[in-house]
Amino acid sequence: DQQVKQNSPSLSVQEGRISILNCDYTNSMFDYFLWYKKYPAEGPTFLISISSIKDKNEDGRFTVFLNKSAKHLSLHIVPSQPGDSAVYFCAASAMGRDDKIIFGKGTRLHILP
Amino acid sequence: KAGVTQTPRYLIKTRGQQVTLSCSPISGHRSVSWYQQTPGQGLQFLFEYFSETQRNKGNFPGRFSGRQFSNSRSEMNVSTLELGDSALYLCASSLGQDQETQYFGPGTRLLVL
Repeated sequence: DQQVKQNSPSLSVQEGRISILNCDYTNSMFDYFLWYKKYPAEGPTFLISISSIKDKNEDGRFTVFLNKSAKHLSLHIVPSQPGDSAVYFCAASAMGRDDKIIFGKGTRLHILP
Repeated sequence: KAGVTQTPRYLIKTRGQQVTLSCSPISGHRSVSWYQQTPGQGLQFLFEYFSETQRNKGNFPGRFSGRQFSNSRSEMNVSTLELGDSALYLCASSLGQDQETQYFGPGTRLLVL
């Protein structure tokens, strides 16, 4: 059973608009969440993270929102740029448990000109 | 600092063979984690090594094994290769503390024929 789910395999957004990538999780023990970005032929790179004590974390054009009651988080990118076209992975971990980071399957974001 | 390096970058093997992949973490990082990425399954955790000891293990068969050396470099070995082992194998390093970000290498793409 997948503990971290990214239900949209792909997403297309117009350049300059807002991109919203969604992620759901099932394990209520998760208390730390991360987003990674991956270009073809490269390893994933860390983008932004959020601890469960917060409901929002912002870093430049990237904002992550966490809704613990819904076990849902989202990554907002605004404004979207062509270089944002990549696969985005949502990941979660539970401190004090086994420290494993569980990844979703990824969402491929296409930024349209 | 130099990033995480993985060798080889590409590899072609046949069923039944065995393969060894290598990962050199960022200097000072003591934790090395291995992941398998396939189109259908996304990123899946294989195992993590910290200070030469396996600290965490994912749900992969015993054909997948690893080790870590005193300089934190890690190797992953897959024996009796199967077609389904064709994937991108990613290594990630971190300092080894709770809930920290991992830094990924470029990956080794393995093709099993």
